[in-house]
Amino acid sequence: AQTVTQSQPEMSVQEAETVTLSCTYDTSESDYYLFWYKQPPSRQMILVIRQEAYKQQNATENRFSVNFQKAAKSFSLKISDSQLGDAAMYFCAFHSNSGYALNFGKGTSLLVTP
Amino acid sequence: DTGVSQDPRHKITKRGQNVTFRCDPISEHNRLYWYRQTLGQGPEFLTYFQNEAQLEKSRLLSDRFSAERPKGSFSTLEIQRTEQGDSAMYLCASSSPSGGLYGYTFGSGTRLTVV
Repeated sequence: AQTVTQSQPEMSVQEAETVTLSCTYDTSESDYYLFWYKQPPSRQMILVIRQEAYKQQNATENRFSVNFQKAAKSFSLKISDSQLGDAAMYFCAFHSNSGYALNFGKGTSLLVTP
Repeated sequence: DTGVSQDPRHKITKRGQNVTFRCDPISEHNRLYWYRQTLGQGPEFLTYFQNEAQLEKSRLLSDRFSAERPKGSFSTLEIQRTEQGDSAMYLCASSSPSGGLYGYTFGSGTRLTVV
């Protein structure tokens, strides 16, 4: 079974600054996908960024980028130039290429202050 | 396309009653998933449909839970003889035939409160 660990229950960042959210995972598989999802107070989960494990290059989506360290089983999310609208719960998730389900971490609540 | 729709948004029920939730996925998505999210936790997988076939069920899905997806379109999740521990947000998601590898589209969820 795969487990996803987010060790930071809460994080805070000032507007325009950069913040990094941590995620580690445990798996014996070599072919998998990793995701970061954002869940604003309205509760609808939104995909932020996706990383394929076989790709060494870190994924980037505008102000969002990841630091994927496969050997360390680490998958952190960096948010640059933070905006008030970035405030939300952020969930790290794992999807095996051989399975059906997303396995989520417990989430990190991000607060953005003016 | 309005995304994944869930109905109702909120449901309050008395312990022991049956409840049914509905999910309408994105029309071209043949894969549909149900998740449960309790306060302070990430979503937990409940069950998965590919078209009308229910291909996987979590051990979280006790005998009181049943899910259907007739004709591979909308899905329903029924909880019989509700218990207070069933109080949670029930999330539905759908994905294209490539599966969840490109990420799911989630609905806004149904919040169930059992009193």
